[in-house]
Order: sequence, then structure tokens, then C-alpha cells
Amino acid sequence: RKEVEQDPGPFNVPEGATVAFNCTYSNSASQSFFWYRQDCRKEPKLLMSVYSSGNEDGRFTAQLNRASQYISLLIRDSKLSDSATYLCVVILPGGSYIPTFGRGTSLIVHP
Amino acid sequence: GAVVSQHPSWVICKSGTSVKIECRSLDFQATTMFWYRQFPKQSLMLMATSNEGSKATYEQGVEKDKFLINHASLTLSTLTVTSAHPEDSSFYICSARELGGADYGYTFGSGTRLTVV
Repeated sequence: RKEVEQDPGPFNVPEGATVAFNCTYSNSASQSFFWYRQDCRKEPKLLMSVYSSGNEDGRFTAQLNRASQYISLLIRDSKLSDSATYLCVVILPGGSYIPTFGRGTSLIVHP
Repeated sequence: GAVVSQHPSWVICKSGTSVKIECRSLDFQATTMFWYRQFPKQSLMLMATSNEGSKATYEQGVEKDKFLINHASLTLSTLTVTSAHPEDSSFYICSARELGGADYGYTFGSGTRLTVV
């Protein structure tokens, strides 16, 4: 079983739609969680951290469910510019705080 | 915010030659630098973790003699792909975290697209 798993998609949605991605992780001792966005042929960029209490940043909401070992990302009112690959990142326990990436979920927002 | 400068952005080299990729943290000290490789439509795969002043820790299946990592200072880490072959063609990217920090985002370099012909 992979340490971090995501549905690769693609998720093809119209502008204005609400879309949600899930990401599961295998190590229950994982410490920190993030969502990154990666545009084609570019480096990943931090979208938001994921806190135990859940957090919201504009149209984006991230949630963590430790019991079921998954994190989620909800995007409301999708824009064309939201089209990208969304990477789930889990920090495994250990001294080096190594970020482990999911494969990414591809989102395509169309007019 | 924190910036990691990575260069070159892209490089084309002949099979058998060596290529050096540099990552510099511009406004913070990076005690740890992670090196990843990403093939098309695949996730970022960790190759190695380098700590300033010590030997890098390589992931299983990554040849340490082929991918030489040097982290000589708190602001510079290099990855040298030695005797490159076409199968080494990939997107290489570094990532760092600031000294003393753990629970916030990691900063990435802009990546190096290596093509070996």
C-alpha cells in the first residue's frame, strides 16, 4: 500500500462547480499535512496547510480526519485558473520531517 | 517568503556526461534539502535527503554513486548526475525547510528539466 494515495482523476468540471478531492495516508503517526498545487511543467506551490480543526482560505477548504486517515480539499465556485494538479503532502514521523507526495489529482475546469 | 533558487532550469546533455544542479536558499538557512525526481504524469519521488555538513541519505533504489549530493553550506545543496543516460531524463526538483521549522510549507526550487540524448 502506498503511503499517500490520491485519485489521479482527471476531474473535469464546469466553471462555478464545487469539487472535492480526498487523499488517504497509511502512517497513523503522520504529523503534518498540506495541499500543493502544481501547474504543468512547473514546481509545486503551497496551496494550504491542513489543520486538525479544518481551515478555510477563500474558496478553498481543507479538512483532516485522523481517525480515517484522510485529508480533503474542497474548491467552491471553480475558476478556469484552478485547472492544475493538486498534490497531497504528508509529513512522516521522524527527525527529518520528510514530505511524502501523493500522485496528484488533476483538475480541469472548463467554460 | 522563503525562496529557493534552482538552476539550470533545463539542460540537454550527451549520454555519458555529468550534470550539476544547484539549489540555493536565498533568504533562509536550509539545514535539510530534499531532492525529488518526477517523471511525466507521476508523483514526485524522493531521491535523497541532504543535511548540511553530513552525508546524504538516499532512498532505496537510488544509486548514491550516480547521484552525488553535496550540502556544503546552509544555503547551498547540489545534485550531480554522473554519467547520465537517457533513462535519467526527468524533472529534478529540490525542496527545503527553514531552520527550526517543521509544521509549515516547504519551499521548492523551480525545477530542472534534464534531457539526456
